[in-house]
Amino acid sequence: EVQVVESGGGLVQPGGSLRLSCAVSGFRISAYWMSWVRQAPGKGLEWVANIKEDGSEQNYVGSVKGRFTITRDNAKSTVYLQMNSLRVEDTAVYYCASSAIWGQGTMVTVSS
Amino acid sequence: EIQMTQSPSSLSASVGDRVTITCQASHDIKNHLNWYQQKPGKAPNLLIYDASNLKTGVPSRFSGSGSGTDFTFTISTLQPEDIATYYCQQYVSLVTFGPGTNVDMK
Repeated sequence: EVQVVESGGGLVQPGGSLRLSCAVSGFRISAYWMSWVRQAPGKGLEWVANIKEDGSEQNYVGSVKGRFTITRDNAKSTVYLQMNSLRVEDTAVYYCASSAIWGQGTMVTVSS
Repeated sequence: EIQMTQSPSSLSASVGDRVTITCQASHDIKNHLNWYQQKPGKAPNLLIYDASNLKTGVPSRFSGSGSGTDFTFTISTLQPEDIATYYCQQYVSLVTFGPGTNVDMK
């Protein structure tokens, strides 16, 4: 059975940092691009970033470029999202995903 | 950046109705389009991949068609459990989601 578990969310002040983790089991992440997708309260889905199978290429949505970094450790079957200089508008549920495989999300709240 | 639009933004239908949602891309995305279903408080669930392929285990009342810039998602006979928000997603150039279509019961 495939399991995707995100962790690391929480409440942070504007300008702060958080590191999200996505632990995957029952699925060989080394063969797939992995993404982070977010959903602000009451809003639609927004793709945030993705990373190539071997970690050699990363892409970001414009609003997080220079602030967020996606990495992966295939040996640990884990994907990360380092989020710096957080803004109120980054408040959302953050999902780790690869097409058909999604976690249940972790909530990030940026507020003073 | 490829922009995605969906219409309608919401619709109300009765059990047994045929429901159609359209998705339009700002540039040619060939068939690099997925359709997702999302229920409140849950993660999205992939229904259709590569524009017209039904994911294994998804009921056959769901279908997708189209290529290039214009796509259609259809529920042939709406069931109560289909009440959800539906999103299209392109993945030919980075990734973009459509704004979603909220489907509820009349």
